[in-house]
Amino acid sequence: GAVVSQHPSRVICKSGTSVKIECRSLDFQATTMFWYRQFPKKSLMLMATSNEGSKATYEQGVEKDKFLINHASLTLSTLTVTSAHPEDSSFYICSAAEALSGNTIYFGEGSWLTVV
Amino acid sequence: GENVEQHPSTLSVQEGDSAVIKCTYSDSASNYFPWYKQELGKGPQLIIDIRSNVGEKKDQRIAVTLNKTAKHFSLHITETQPEDSAVYFCAASKGAGNMLTFGGGTRLMVKP
Repeated sequence: GAVVSQHPSRVICKSGTSVKIECRSLDFQATTMFWYRQFPKKSLMLMATSNEGSKATYEQGVEKDKFLINHASLTLSTLTVTSAHPEDSSFYICSAAEALSGNTIYFGEGSWLTVV
Repeated sequence: GENVEQHPSTLSVQEGDSAVIKCTYSDSASNYFPWYKQELGKGPQLIIDIRSNVGEKKDQRIAVTLNKTAKHFSLHITETQPEDSAVYFCAASKGAGNMLTFGGGTRLMVKP
């Protein structure tokens, strides 16, 4: 299947700082990418839909000014957690739809964020 | 919006036995149903998917069935192996490529 890569896989940052997570579709172009958040032993919660060349669509309850999403190219979307707090610590996962396989959605390996 | 229920939340089977995980969805407009396997600390991996114009799909030891009338779909794993132990998620969407609504997950444990 198609490969979606996330970087970094793990990051620790101090409270009040910002951290950027990258999501890349390695062998296909993705006009749409999705960002999820997952708490331990819980299901995936959709945060936002990232559309190439336009503003992201955020789910209800997700602060767009805190979780900045940029989808500047067909292979890259970034999630920036601004002014991070310990409660932002979580597992963040992106996914992308591959058109050639009928828009099958593939997930990245996830990024563990710890805010201290 | 769409609501996906998944059962059971945990499932323990003996190696070699079959495992069945069931999901129901609420939105009759949903027509794409993928299943993902997630190992600890990793992202979900697509294992099989089914579209609403098909009632059953099989890939080696894994099969998925879909009942559109009843709005439920199931994952069947035969001849389970210890490496099948993981959390499995079902999902539904209105067309592949659109946002997925996930079930709550099933933690499958295969005992050697």
